[in-house]
Amino acid sequence: DAGVIQSPRHEVTEMGQEVTLRCKPISGHDYLFWYRQTMMRGLELLIYFNNNVPIDDSGMPEDRFSAKMPNASFSTLKIQPSEPRDSAVYFCASSLRGGLTTIYFGEGSWLTVV
Amino acid sequence: ILNVEQSPQSLHVQEGDSTNFTCSFPSSNFYALHWYRWETAKSPEALFVMTLNGDEKKKGRISATLNTKEGYSYLYIKGSQPEDSATYLCAFFSAGGTSYGKLTFGQGTILTVHP
Repeated sequence: DAGVIQSPRHEVTEMGQEVTLRCKPISGHDYLFWYRQTMMRGLELLIYFNNNVPIDDSGMPEDRFSAKMPNASFSTLKIQPSEPRDSAVYFCASSLRGGLTTIYFGEGSWLTVV
Repeated sequence: ILNVEQSPQSLHVQEGDSTNFTCSFPSSNFYALHWYRWETAKSPEALFVMTLNGDEKKKGRISATLNTKEGYSYLYIKGSQPEDSATYLCAFFSAGGTSYGKLTFGQGTILTVHP
């Protein structure tokens, strides 16, 4: 299996622009997670899905952030409009049985908002 | 908000030294405890998923123990090598309350092994 695939790997955008991050989980995994890594807050959970349904989005910072999972093999995290404080590494991860089994991370999307 | 704390924050050891660090987590609503190894510019890589009190897991020179009643886990590295240099993260998976289903990460222990 190719693992969790994220795109783009790097994105530099101007403040106010829309940013869309994409994720393809490992085939057969029922859980998909979006995490954000910052120096200040470490690795924080933004939202997770079970069987394509959002279960907990309490970590989403504000209304500018939205996430969708239209099918079992694809998810997006959208920031609109983007702000410099959104600059971070965004990780997508997937697992077979939530936190009871190994969670596999993608390589991350490095976002810089200038 | 769950408190998952790791100590020390950073550690410098010499090649060949054995080392260990700690992860503290809530002792209630325990479901699972994860350990990850995270190298700079890469993605976190799973080491262990532990679910039972008293569990001990081993992978090569790395091992981990779990005490769910008192809420801590230790990670041990025997005979550290420079390639062990990384950030070691633990994550707590909660079974109940408002944090049900969430995997909450600690801030990590940064290990540097000097040749």
